[in-house]
Amino acid sequence: NAGVTQTPKFRVLKTGQSMTLLCAQDMNHEYMYWYRQDPGMGLRLIHYSVGEGTTAKGEVPDGYNVSRLKKQNFLLGLESAAPSQTSVYFCASSPGTATSQPQHFGDGTRLSIL
Amino acid sequence: AQKVTQAQTEISVVEKEDVTLDCVYETRDTTYYLFWYKQPPSGELVFLIRRNSFDEQNEISGRYSWNFQKSTSSFNFTITASQVVDSAVYFCALSEAILTGGGNKLTFGTGTQLKVEL
Repeated sequence: NAGVTQTPKFRVLKTGQSMTLLCAQDMNHEYMYWYRQDPGMGLRLIHYSVGEGTTAKGEVPDGYNVSRLKKQNFLLGLESAAPSQTSVYFCASSPGTATSQPQHFGDGTRLSIL
Repeated sequence: AQKVTQAQTEISVVEKEDVTLDCVYETRDTTYYLFWYKQPPSGELVFLIRRNSFDEQNEISGRYSWNFQKSTSSFNFTITASQVVDSAVYFCALSEAILTGGGNKLTFGTGTQLKVEL
């Protein structure tokens, strides 16, 4: 019963390095989301996808890119990591478009940029 | 723009005490959904409850209860007879539709850290 799986769980990067965070869901959900969680700020939406091959910007998209080549996977990329991107990243998925649908979250990826 | 306010940053109680976590929201939508999520020390986000804007009945699930009052734009969460395992950060969230292509966006409050001590 995996649900939403995020890889890796922890990572330390140096400024300027690049990396990709992987999110995989096995619930056949159409919609997937990437959030970041910072102290005192709750979770903020970075990018989201409404289906395979689609992506869209959330409220804090700068410095990130995403891809949804397969329905079950949603990748978040940092091309040139900056200390301001130190955060905990959460992936989520939901089955439909309605605002009634709860989002199911992964366990998070803790990312530190030195 | 939608907004969720959790004014209580941190609450400490002794085990078996009752505790209420406050959530106040702002939205222009007439139909909306509210959620509570729990984030235990292990870090994952656990969905607790969903409430739609048309249903103001209180809901009880074991030791948990939720009080939704549309007139005051509040959706408060009460834990009765708290236990150490209830120690976590609790987030209130408001759902809104994302107009570009569908999907819904959750607007989160900043969370309330609950510490339950023996």
